[in-house]
Amino acid sequence: AQKITQTQPGMFVQEKEAVTLDCTYDTSDQSYGLFWYKQPSSGEMIFLIYQGSYDEQNATEGRYSLNFQKARKSANLVISASQLGDSAMYFCAMRVTNQGGKLIFGQGTELSVKP
Amino acid sequence: KAGVTQTPRYLIKTRGQQVTLSCSPISGHRSVSWYQQTPGQGLQFLFEYFSETQRNKGNFPGRFSGRQFSNSRSEMNVSTLELGDSALYLCASSSLTPGSHYNEQFFGPGTRLTVL
Repeated sequence: AQKITQTQPGMFVQEKEAVTLDCTYDTSDQSYGLFWYKQPSSGEMIFLIYQGSYDEQNATEGRYSLNFQKARKSANLVISASQLGDSAMYFCAMRVTNQGGKLIFGQGTELSVKP
Repeated sequence: KAGVTQTPRYLIKTRGQQVTLSCSPISGHRSVSWYQQTPGQGLQFLFEYFSETQRNKGNFPGRFSGRQFSNSRSEMNVSTLELGDSALYLCASSSLTPGSHYNEQFFGPGTRLTVL
């Protein structure tokens, strides 16, 4: 069965510092994608970054980078230079290619950025 | 391009009633997925529709159903509401085609359902 595990229910980071949010996944499929979403208190899910299982390089999108370690089945999100607006829930998700658009989500990490 | 829209944004119902939620995907997107988010269970996949056909279904009772129209708009229906159905219901649209490796799902703002 596919599963996403986020072991940090809550995290604090000082403004302008970097922070790493952990995500491990479990699947026996070879073709899959890993996503990170941000959910502010308004509720909308905002796509941040994607990593495909066959991608050899780690994905980066602006201040976001994904530290993909396939052998360890981990896909940690790194946010550089944290901003106050980064305070939100962060979800790691996985999609297995042969299961259509179904996303499996982790339990989330609540990030608080301190001024 | 307009984003994913969901109506209504908030809904209050009583136990035993039924409810219909609507989702309009981004123009050109043919895949629509629905998710339920609760504090206890987190985000759970309900079902996915592609070109008016249900492609995938999560582990929810038959009280939860959905459909997709020819213009890709989708509705989900919950019959005989229970207190535990109180949740944020999120809809996501994607340009996903069968067998494709990458799909970015764009989420709507959600419908917050409260069952009293």
